[in-house]
Amino acid sequence: AQKITQTQPGMFVQEKEAVTLDCTYDTSDQSYGLFWYKQPSSGEMIFLIYQGSYDEQNATEGRYSLNFQKARKSANLVISASQLGDSAMYFCAMREGRDNAGKSTFGDGTTLTVKP
Amino acid sequence: DAGVIQSPRHEVTEMGQEVTLRCKPISGHNSLFWYRQTMMRGLELLIYFNNNVPIDDSGMPEDRFSAKMPNASFSTLKIQPSEPRDSAVYFCASSFSGRERSPLHFGNGTRLTVT
Repeated sequence: AQKITQTQPGMFVQEKEAVTLDCTYDTSDQSYGLFWYKQPSSGEMIFLIYQGSYDEQNATEGRYSLNFQKARKSANLVISASQLGDSAMYFCAMREGRDNAGKSTFGDGTTLTVKP
Repeated sequence: DAGVIQSPRHEVTEMGQEVTLRCKPISGHNSLFWYRQTMMRGLELLIYFNNNVPIDDSGMPEDRFSAKMPNASFSTLKIQPSEPRDSAVYFCASSFSGRERSPLHFGNGTRLTVT
């Protein structure tokens, strides 16, 4: 069974609008971390935002925020005020276990295109 | 602060040849991961090390693949013999285990083409 599911292969958003990229996960661990990474066309992987399973508040980093719904096992990324440079592939990832030495499992990614 | 350094950036080789990919993690990081990215299979974890010790190599496709981490600042991924289906982008990433919020820091990847 897939541990991380990103159901949107591709998304379009108008410049300056907000967009939500979906991510659901599956784990039986109580302690885990959720990460979002951005991969522009140049190929590098860039860390965006982190949400811990015990965090009570939704994570925010600048224009990025995470809509964390633990009971529904979802961790959607919200990008506000989209910019052309936000066009990229976005990956949701999960790391299980409190000791943080564990592997990260990635979803298949969502390709976001920002239209001018 | 230098990031994760991978070499070479591009490698083109013929089927049957040995390929060695290299990685220098960020200084102070004690976990190192090798991932492979293809269109068909996405990002797959091949192997990861913690404190230079291989912890999980269940993602290594077959015996043709091997990885070593002789010290905290260097790791290699070797494919011998290489096959066309090994063509992919191989990423090395490092993180600091023991810090809950420590993300993966990726290198720029090695694009491997096996003809």
